[in-house]
Amino acid sequence: QQQVKQSPQSLIVQKGGISIINCAYENTAFDYFPWYQQFPGKGPALLIAIRPDVSEKKEGRFTISFNKSAKQFSLHIMDSQPGDSATYFCAASMDSNYQLIWGAGTKLIIKP
Amino acid sequence: EAQVTQNPRYLITVTGKKLTVTCSQNMNHEYMSWYRQDPGLGLRQIYYSMNVEVTDKGDVPEGYKVSRKEKRNFPLILESPSPNQTSLYFCASSLTQGVNYGYTFGSGTRLTVV
Repeated sequence: QQQVKQSPQSLIVQKGGISIINCAYENTAFDYFPWYQQFPGKGPALLIAIRPDVSEKKEGRFTISFNKSAKQFSLHIMDSQPGDSATYFCAASMDSNYQLIWGAGTKLIIKP
Repeated sequence: EAQVTQNPRYLITVTGKKLTVTCSQNMNHEYMSWYRQDPGLGLRQIYYSMNVEVTDKGDVPEGYKVSRKEKRNFPLILESPSPNQTSLYFCASSLTQGVNYGYTFGSGTRLTVV
C-alpha cells in the first residue's frame, strides 16, 4: 500500500511532442505528490508538486494532472525539447510523515 | 551557493574494506537523508536524520551506518562493503522534516565494490 507505481520505464518522444508519464498509488492518506527531474551525473531536483485539493497544476511547459478517485497522477511535458531528456521520478508522501515514497523512474529521451 | 556536497564522486573498493562517503550541506537544513539508486528500483532510502544526534533507518539500512554530530554533515559509513552495495548513492537535505519544501540532492557517489 506504500508503493507508487510509475510507467512507462522509458519513453521516446519527438521534439515538439507531448511527453506523458503516469503514476498510481494505493494509500489514500498521501497528500503531497512531487515530481523530480534528474539529469545524467546529477541528483534529482524538484520540478513541480501538487496536493489533492486541485486537479491540475501548471508551471511553464510542465503540468501535473491529478485524479483523486482513480488514485493516479501524471506529468505532461508540452512542446518537449531535447533539453528535457532526463529521468523523471514521481513520489508521494503524507504531511504527517516526512518520508517520500518514490516511483521507479522514467527515462525520457526527446529526439531532435 | 546553496548546495549539498558529496565526496568522493567515484569510488572503487574491495570487499570488506571500510569506507566513508561524506555529505555536507550549507543551507542550515535540519533534515538529511541517504538514498541508493539502482536501475529499475528508483530511489531507496538508507538512513535519515531529523536533526543533530537523531538518526533512523530507512528502507534498506543493512550494511550501512550513519552519524549526525553536526547539523551540516551526515556521513555514510560502510563498515564491510560487499558487491551488492555497488550502487549510485545520493545525499539529500530539506529545511525541515516535512517534504513540502523539496529535497536538495547532492551530485551522487558512484560506488563499485569488487
